[in-house]
Amino acid sequence: SQTIHQWPATLVQPVGSPLSLECTVEGTSNPNLYWYRQAAGRGLQLLFYSVGIGQISSEVPQNLSASRPQDRQFILSSKKLLLSDSGFYLCAWSVWRIREKLFFGSGTQLSVL
Amino acid sequence: QQQVKQSPQSLIVQKGGISIINCAYENTAFDYFPWYQQFPGKGPALLIAIRPDVSEKKEGRFTISFNKSAKQFSLHIMDSQPGDSATYFCAATVSGNTGKLIFGQGTTLQVKP
Repeated sequence: SQTIHQWPATLVQPVGSPLSLECTVEGTSNPNLYWYRQAAGRGLQLLFYSVGIGQISSEVPQNLSASRPQDRQFILSSKKLLLSDSGFYLCAWSVWRIREKLFFGSGTQLSVL
Repeated sequence: QQQVKQSPQSLIVQKGGISIINCAYENTAFDYFPWYQQFPGKGPALLIAIRPDVSEKKEGRFTISFNKSAKQFSLHIMDSQPGDSATYFCAATVSGNTGKLIFGQGTTLQVKP
């Protein structure tokens, strides 16, 4: 069966510090991978998605970047965090060609202070 | 045109009652409408989904009602239980390898014992 791992679960970082969140998927090949952000009390905002190694699409201009160095690994990064980067970050995957069915990780609660 | 509008933002229901969450969309190309359930500190999980060729889909206590002409769909939770207390997101997309899920803003449901 397929599983998705996302870590860390919680993270407190000072403003201006770098960020690296990692997500890995097991049990499937060539998945579509996604990074979402959920601000407190708000909906899910798609940040990045990837349909293959090295292929990254950005949905909104921001202080973040994403990379996919391996087929089942997706990384969210920032060189310098802003206060507005605080939120709940979710990694998700879908089967190739079936983008509408997303499977989410357990999320990372990021607090930038 | 890409928005999905969800209401209410929050909902309190007594145990055994019916919880109703509504969503509306504009894009007539949408052909897949899922609902996701999210417990605090966890990622959302697919609950139930419908395609526009049917007007209703039922899975246990959860029912989606779909009104294609009005471009609206709703989630009904019958015999609501305290364990149903969670945030619910509706979403919509064009199915296949090009569509992206567009999420509503979410509804926080509290079922009182």
